[in-house]
Amino acid sequence: QSALTQPASVSGSPGQSITISCTGTSSDVGSYSLVSWYQQHPGKAPKLMIYEDNKRPSGFSNRFSASKSGNTASLTISGLQAEDEADYYCCSYTHTTNSWLFGGGTKLTVL
Amino acid sequence: QVTLKESGPAVVKPTQTLTLTCTFSGFSLSTSGMRVIWIRQPPGKALEWLARIDWDDDKFYSTSLKTRLTITKDTSKNQVVLTMTNMDPVDTATYYCARSPYCDGTTCSKYYFDYWGQGTLVTVSS
Repeated sequence: QSALTQPASVSGSPGQSITISCTGTSSDVGSYSLVSWYQQHPGKAPKLMIYEDNKRPSGFSNRFSASKSGNTASLTISGLQAEDEADYYCCSYTHTTNSWLFGGGTKLTVL
Repeated sequence: QVTLKESGPAVVKPTQTLTLTCTFSGFSLSTSGMRVIWIRQPPGKALEWLARIDWDDDKFYSTSLKTRLTITKDTSKNQVVLTMTNMDPVDTATYYCARSPYCDGTTCSKYYFDYWGQGTLVTVSS
């Protein structure tokens, strides 16, 4: 099964908001509460930032939010800060193959 | 405090078998609903899910790598082992293990990775 589709890169200035999209199919992203998002700084392990489509783990900034419409999930980062510069990956479970699919990753540059 | 740590060889030769161990603490893989998974990331590339083992010893593998992967657990040692046969240079990657709880205490049907190991880089080269 193909990976999920994300833009390769996005950029924004400090204080601005950006949105990263993640497109899949009705078997994965479009299904109920299967999408998660991970933040990965260079040389570090990924870190869970969104789960079950739009829930934030405790302690994670509320500047990060997520939503979903049909087969496309979206991650929004508001009030961009320099430390937000990282790679962001969407991920979805699929019951079709009992497996997880990742997006290709989006590199966020804070100008 | 939940922690996971991967260990294994830094370099393997083509055609060899890779054996990686994930040693964890702060949770038990004998707890109903608990799962441990393996994910890899080639240098500069995206994450790829590899395998999963559940508290009840159910096992699931990436369709594309199924014939080469084996995942096992040793609950008494808090370890999960992943073996990958017939290694190739394209398998050069950082390999991560992560926890994936099916239940979060009150509800189930969870499908995310809440704690990750630091990763271990495996290079396949002769």
